[in-house]
Amino acid sequence: AQTVTQSQPEMSVQEAETVTLSCTYDTSESNYYLFWYKQPPSRQMILVIRQEAYKQQNATENRFSVNFQKAAKSFSLKISDSQLGDTAMYFCAYPLGSGNTGKLIFGQGTTLQVKP
Amino acid sequence: EAEVAQSPRYKITEKSQAVAFWCDPISGHATLYWYRQILGQGPELLVQFQDESVVDDSQLPKDRFSAERLKGVDSTLKIQPAELGDSAMYLCASSLQRGDSYEQYFGPGTRLTVT
Repeated sequence: AQTVTQSQPEMSVQEAETVTLSCTYDTSESNYYLFWYKQPPSRQMILVIRQEAYKQQNATENRFSVNFQKAAKSFSLKISDSQLGDTAMYFCAYPLGSGNTGKLIFGQGTTLQVKP
Repeated sequence: EAEVAQSPRYKITEKSQAVAFWCDPISGHATLYWYRQILGQGPELLVQFQDESVVDDSQLPKDRFSAERLKGVDSTLKIQPAELGDSAMYLCASSLQRGDSYEQYFGPGTRLTVT
């Protein structure tokens, strides 16, 4: 069965510091995408960053970057220079099932609290 | 910026009653998803539409849940009868194919409380 594991239910970080959220997954597909989504309190979920599995280069979006280790099936999210607005629940996700139909399987989430 | 719309935002209903949620995806997005998110957990897919057709409803409890997207635009998710265990956030998302990937855009969700 496909699984996504986020082993850190809760994390906190001081404003301006760096934090890394971990994610491991299990798939037999060779080519796929991986995603990190952010869900702020009482607000809708938005895409933070995505990684194409066939690309060796780690994706970067401003203060957000990933450490993708395909062989280890690990996909961690690094947030640099943390801001109060980064406080949210973060979900790792990847395509559910074989082929590319768009549907996603999500991890259990990591609640990140950025402290002033 | 275009957004996925959902209504109502909050719904409180008694068990055994019927309840319906509505979703209007971003214009031009052919694929629409309904997810259920239990508090403190990740979303779980209930049903996926491609235009007006159901692509996957394997996780939809069909004895009480139904979903439709009659004209391939907006969609309705219904629960009848509601049970206490149905209390959750119901999220709608639509997606645009970007190369060989789909980028999903989520609505604000409907928080359902069954009493």
